[in-house]
Amino acid sequence: GAGVSQTPSNKVTEKGKYVELRCDPISGHTALYWYRQSLGQGPEFLIYFQGTGAADDSGLPNDRFFAVRPEGSVSTLKIQRTERGDSAVYLCASSLTSSWGEQYFGPGTRLTVT
Amino acid sequence: AQSVTQPDIHITVSEGASLELRCNYSYGATPYLFWYVQSPGQGLQLLLKYFSGDTLVQGIKGFEAEFKRSQSSFNLRKPSVHWSDAAEYFCAVGPTDKLIFGTGTRLQVFP
Repeated sequence: GAGVSQTPSNKVTEKGKYVELRCDPISGHTALYWYRQSLGQGPEFLIYFQGTGAADDSGLPNDRFFAVRPEGSVSTLKIQRTERGDSAVYLCASSLTSSWGEQYFGPGTRLTVT
Repeated sequence: AQSVTQPDIHITVSEGASLELRCNYSYGATPYLFWYVQSPGQGLQLLLKYFSGDTLVQGIKGFEAEFKRSQSSFNLRKPSVHWSDAAEYFCAVGPTDKLIFGTGTRLQVFP
């Protein structure tokens, strides 16, 4: 079956611009997670959705970052006024339930801010 | 604070040799522990997980890991490495619904 997909696979943007990163979870998965992976580091938690609501957004670094999941499936991570330090691979994962269901990861979106 | 330490940044082994990747964690109670593998251009794939019970857990691709509470460790092992095992390996702890990852160990396999 189809796995988690993320678009675009690569995004290059100029400092100060706005970007949107999209995640399509596995069909039927109620939990969705966003992580950020900087070069040479492990993934770092950003936000977790259970259904349409953000159950935990404690990992969002500042108010330039925002994520939505309006219909409980597709999610969009939005970054305003991008900075060079935002350059990283943004990973999305989904799981059948939030109760320790296995998280299935997408291939990520590589964001480069010039 | 919860944390995961993978002390080996890079490991090189010969094909057919045994492998052990180290993972130490810091957490106040019994953690939920995971090992993931990341190949170039691929998403993270779960190798195995420990929630409770038997401290030796078996995973996919012939991997196993042992939870040692006294050492706060969850080391990953494989008796005979294949060239296709070359990848980045991440240990993670999940005290809540957000995984905390280590910095990873890059495995290189020589023929």
